[in-house]
Amino acid sequence: DSGVTQTPKHLITATGQRVTLRCSPRSGDLSVYWYQQSLDQGLQFLIQYYNGEERAKGNILERFSAQQFPDLHSELNLSSLELGDSALYFCASSVAPLAKGKQYFGPGTRLTVT
Amino acid sequence: AQTVTQSQPEMSVQEAETVTLSCTYDTSESDYYLFWYKQPPSRQMILVIRQEAYKQQNATENRFSVNFQKAAKSFSLKISDSQLGDAAMYFCAFRAGGTSYGKLTFGQGTILTVHP
Repeated sequence: DSGVTQTPKHLITATGQRVTLRCSPRSGDLSVYWYQQSLDQGLQFLIQYYNGEERAKGNILERFSAQQFPDLHSELNLSSLELGDSALYFCASSVAPLAKGKQYFGPGTRLTVT
Repeated sequence: AQTVTQSQPEMSVQEAETVTLSCTYDTSESDYYLFWYKQPPSRQMILVIRQEAYKQQNATENRFSVNFQKAAKSFSLKISDSQLGDAAMYFCAFRAGGTSYGKLTFGQGTILTVHP
Protein backbone atom coordinates (compact mmCIF):
# COMPACT_ATOMS: atom_id res chain seq x y z
CA ASP A 1 0.00 0.00 0.00
CA SER A 2 1.58 3.26 -1.20
CA GLY A 3 -0.52 5.51 1.04
CA VAL A 4 -2.08 7.25 -1.96
CA THR A 5 -5.80 6.67 -2.30
CA GLN A 6 -7.96 7.07 -5.38
CA THR A 7 -11.71 6.88 -5.75
CA PRO A 8 -13.60 5.39 -7.38
CA LYS A 9 -11.75 2.24 -8.45
CA HIS A 10 -13.95 1.75 -11.47
CA LEU A 11 -16.19 4.11 -13.38
CA ILE A 12 -18.43 3.32 -16.32
CA THR A 13 -20.14 6.17 -18.09
CA ALA A 14 -21.50 7.20 -21.45
CA THR A 15 -20.07 9.44 -24.13
CA GLY A 16 -20.72 13.11 -23.55
CA GLN A 17 -20.85 12.77 -19.78
CA ARG A 18 -18.66 14.37 -17.11
CA VAL A 19 -16.86 12.56 -14.29
CA THR A 20 -14.65 13.49 -11.36
CA LEU A 21 -11.77 11.37 -10.15
CA ARG A 22 -10.47 11.93 -6.66
CA CYS A 23 -7.00 11.48 -5.17
CA SER A 24 -5.68 11.79 -1.63
CA PRO A 25 -1.87 12.00 -1.44
CA ARG A 26 0.30 10.38 1.19
CA SER A 27 0.36 12.17 4.50
CA GLY A 28 2.89 15.00 4.26
CA ASP A 29 3.15 14.98 0.46
CA LEU A 30 2.45 18.37 -1.08
CA SER A 31 2.81 17.49 -4.76
CA VAL A 32 0.24 15.56 -6.79
CA TYR A 33 0.64 14.25 -10.33
CA TRP A 34 -1.98 12.80 -12.67
CA TYR A 35 -1.12 10.23 -15.34
CA GLN A 36 -3.20 8.48 -17.97
CA GLN A 37 -2.50 4.92 -19.10
CA SER A 38 -4.19 3.84 -22.30
CA LEU A 39 -3.51 1.06 -24.79
CA ASP A 40 -2.60 3.37 -27.66
CA GLN A 41 -0.86 6.21 -25.79
CA GLY A 42 0.87 4.30 -23.02
CA LEU A 43 1.57 6.10 -19.74
CA GLN A 44 1.37 9.86 -20.12
CA PHE A 45 1.79 12.72 -17.69
CA LEU A 46 -1.26 14.97 -17.54
CA ILE A 47 -0.76 17.63 -14.88
CA GLN A 48 0.98 18.42 -11.60
CA TYR A 49 -0.04 20.46 -8.57
CA TYR A 50 2.04 21.59 -5.65
CA ASN A 51 0.41 22.89 -2.50
CA GLY A 52 -2.68 24.01 -4.40
CA GLU A 53 -0.95 25.54 -7.38
CA GLU A 54 -0.60 24.13 -10.88
CA ARG A 55 3.08 23.55 -11.61
CA ALA A 56 3.33 21.61 -14.85
CA LYS A 57 1.10 20.52 -17.70
CA GLY A 58 1.58 17.62 -20.04
CA ASN A 59 -0.65 16.16 -22.73
CA ILE A 60 -3.88 17.16 -21.03
CA LEU A 61 -6.90 17.82 -23.21
CA GLU A 62 -8.85 21.05 -22.86
CA ARG A 63 -11.87 18.96 -21.84
CA PHE A 64 -9.91 17.86 -18.78
CA SER A 65 -9.17 19.99 -15.75
CA ALA A 66 -7.81 19.45 -12.28
CA GLN A 67 -7.37 21.20 -8.98
CA GLN A 68 -5.76 20.65 -5.61
CA PHE A 69 -7.67 21.69 -2.53
CA PRO A 70 -6.40 23.21 0.75
CA ASP A 71 -6.46 19.76 2.39
CA LEU A 72 -4.15 18.68 -0.50
CA HIS A 73 -6.52 16.20 -2.09
CA SER A 74 -6.87 16.57 -5.82
CA GLU A 75 -9.63 16.06 -8.34
CA LEU A 76 -9.38 15.41 -12.06
CA ASN A 77 -12.46 16.46 -13.99
CA LEU A 78 -13.12 14.89 -17.38
CA SER A 79 -15.94 16.34 -19.48
CA SER A 80 -17.59 15.67 -22.86
CA LEU A 81 -16.22 12.18 -22.60
CA GLU A 82 -15.30 10.27 -25.72
CA LEU A 83 -14.65 6.56 -26.24
CA GLY A 84 -10.95 7.31 -26.50
CA ASP A 85 -10.88 8.65 -22.95
CA SER A 86 -11.29 5.11 -21.64
CA ALA A 87 -8.10 4.49 -19.67
CA LEU A 88 -6.55 3.90 -16.29
CA TYR A 89 -5.95 7.20 -14.50
CA PHE A 90 -3.23 7.27 -11.88
CA CYS A 91 -2.52 9.80 -9.22
CA ALA A 92 0.95 9.98 -7.67
CA SER A 93 2.36 12.10 -4.88
CA SER A 94 5.73 13.23 -3.64
CA VAL A 95 6.97 15.38 -0.81
CA ALA A 96 7.89 18.32 -3.00
CA PRO A 97 8.04 19.08 -6.73
CA LEU A 98 11.79 19.04 -6.91
CA ALA A 99 12.28 16.21 -4.48
CA LYS A 100 14.82 13.60 -5.35
CA GLY A 101 12.59 11.09 -3.70
CA LYS A 102 10.07 8.73 -5.07
CA GLN A 103 6.70 9.35 -6.58
CA TYR A 104 4.17 7.10 -4.90
CA PHE A 105 1.36 5.89 -7.12
CA GLY A 106 -2.22 5.24 -6.14
CA PRO A 107 -4.09 2.13 -7.32
CA GLY A 108 -5.68 4.00 -10.22
CA THR A 109 -9.22 4.63 -11.43
CA ARG A 110 -10.32 2.60 -14.42
CA LEU A 111 -12.62 4.69 -16.60
CA THR A 112 -14.73 3.02 -19.25
CA VAL A 113 -16.67 5.22 -21.65
CA THR A 114 -19.41 3.43 -23.58
CA ALA B 1 11.73 16.97 -24.81
CA GLN B 2 12.83 13.65 -23.45
CA THR B 3 12.06 10.27 -24.94
CA VAL B 4 12.35 6.83 -23.39
CA THR B 5 12.50 3.70 -25.52
CA GLN B 6 12.06 0.09 -24.45
CA SER B 7 12.81 -2.05 -27.47
CA GLN B 8 11.67 -5.36 -25.97
CA PRO B 9 7.86 -5.62 -25.93
CA GLU B 10 8.09 -9.04 -24.25
CA MET B 11 10.72 -11.05 -22.43
CA SER B 12 10.65 -14.40 -20.68
CA VAL B 13 12.87 -16.10 -18.12
CA GLN B 14 12.98 -19.36 -16.22
CA GLU B 15 12.49 -19.23 -12.50
CA ALA B 16 15.82 -18.73 -10.66
CA GLU B 17 17.52 -17.47 -13.82
CA THR B 18 18.66 -13.94 -14.67
CA VAL B 19 17.05 -11.59 -17.16
CA THR B 20 17.97 -8.12 -18.40
CA LEU B 21 15.46 -5.56 -19.63
CA SER B 22 16.72 -2.78 -21.89
CA CYS B 23 15.97 0.92 -21.89
CA THR B 24 17.45 3.84 -23.79
CA TYR B 25 16.62 7.50 -23.40
CA ASP B 26 17.31 10.76 -25.13
CA THR B 27 17.78 14.04 -23.32
CA SER B 28 19.82 17.20 -23.38
CA GLU B 29 19.59 17.51 -19.61
CA SER B 30 22.67 16.93 -17.48
CA ASP B 31 20.78 16.49 -14.22
CA TYR B 32 18.16 13.76 -14.22
CA TYR B 33 16.89 10.59 -12.59
CA LEU B 34 15.99 7.22 -14.03
CA PHE B 35 13.56 4.70 -12.63
CA TRP B 36 12.20 1.23 -13.21
CA TYR B 37 8.59 0.67 -12.24
CA LYS B 38 6.82 -2.68 -12.04
CA GLN B 39 3.14 -3.05 -12.89
CA PRO B 40 1.74 -6.47 -11.92
CA PRO B 41 -1.71 -7.66 -13.03
CA SER B 42 -3.21 -5.66 -10.15
CA ARG B 43 -2.16 -2.54 -12.16
CA GLN B 44 -0.48 -0.97 -9.14
CA MET B 45 2.67 0.97 -10.12
CA ILE B 46 5.54 -0.12 -7.87
CA LEU B 47 8.93 1.57 -7.85
CA VAL B 48 11.65 -1.05 -8.28
CA ILE B 49 14.83 0.98 -8.42
CA ARG B 50 16.10 4.52 -8.92
CA GLN B 51 19.34 5.90 -10.37
CA GLU B 52 20.62 9.45 -10.05
CA ALA B 53 22.51 10.51 -13.17
CA TYR B 54 25.32 12.20 -11.27
CA LYS B 55 26.14 8.97 -9.46
CA GLN B 56 28.53 6.70 -11.32
CA GLN B 57 27.77 3.72 -9.13
CA ASN B 58 24.99 1.51 -10.42
CA ALA B 59 21.98 1.21 -8.11
CA THR B 60 21.05 -2.12 -6.57
CA GLU B 61 18.02 -3.23 -4.61
CA ASN B 62 18.25 -6.83 -3.48
CA ARG B 63 17.83 -8.98 -6.62
CA PHE B 64 17.42 -5.93 -8.86
CA SER B 65 20.33 -3.97 -10.27
CA VAL B 66 20.87 -1.55 -13.11
CA ASN B 67 23.57 -1.02 -15.70
CA PHE B 68 23.66 2.74 -16.21
CA GLN B 69 25.70 3.87 -19.19
CA LYS B 70 25.40 7.65 -19.23
CA ALA B 71 27.36 8.30 -22.40
CA ALA B 72 25.33 5.72 -24.29
CA LYS B 73 22.10 6.90 -22.61
CA SER B 74 21.30 3.35 -21.65
CA PHE B 75 19.66 2.11 -18.45
CA SER B 76 19.05 -1.63 -18.26
CA LEU B 77 17.49 -3.59 -15.42
CA LYS B 78 18.89 -6.93 -14.34
CA ILE B 79 16.72 -9.26 -12.30
CA SER B 80 18.65 -12.07 -10.64
CA ASP B 81 17.20 -15.29 -9.25
CA SER B 82 13.88 -14.55 -10.97
CA GLN B 83 10.75 -15.43 -9.04
CA LEU B 84 7.19 -16.08 -10.20
CA GLY B 85 6.17 -12.85 -8.48
CA ASP B 86 8.45 -10.88 -10.77
CA ALA B 87 6.06 -11.48 -13.67
CA ALA B 88 4.70 -8.06 -14.61
CA MET B 89 4.96 -5.17 -17.04
CA TYR B 90 8.13 -3.17 -16.41
CA PHE B 91 8.40 0.50 -17.28
CA CYS B 92 11.53 2.56 -17.57
CA ALA B 93 10.99 6.22 -16.65
CA PHE B 94 12.94 9.47 -16.87
CA ARG B 95 12.68 12.56 -14.72
CA ALA B 96 14.65 15.71 -15.38
CA GLY B 97 16.20 17.49 -12.45
CA GLY B 98 16.37 21.22 -11.93
CA THR B 99 13.08 23.05 -12.33
CA SER B 100 11.27 20.40 -14.28
CA TYR B 101 8.85 19.84 -11.42
CA GLY B 102 9.18 16.12 -11.40
CA LYS B 103 7.00 14.75 -14.17
CA LEU B 104 7.89 11.25 -15.30
CA THR B 105 8.32 10.25 -18.94
CA PHE B 106 7.72 6.54 -19.43
CA GLY B 107 8.81 4.00 -22.00
CA GLN B 108 6.35 1.70 -23.71
CA GLY B 109 6.89 -1.11 -21.24
CA THR B 110 8.20 -4.69 -21.36
CA ILE B 111 6.03 -7.63 -20.38
CA LEU B 112 8.08 -10.12 -18.36
CA THR B 113 6.92 -13.72 -18.13
CA VAL B 114 8.51 -16.04 -15.57
CA HIS B 115 8.30 -19.77 -16.32
CA PRO B 116 8.35 -22.26 -13.41
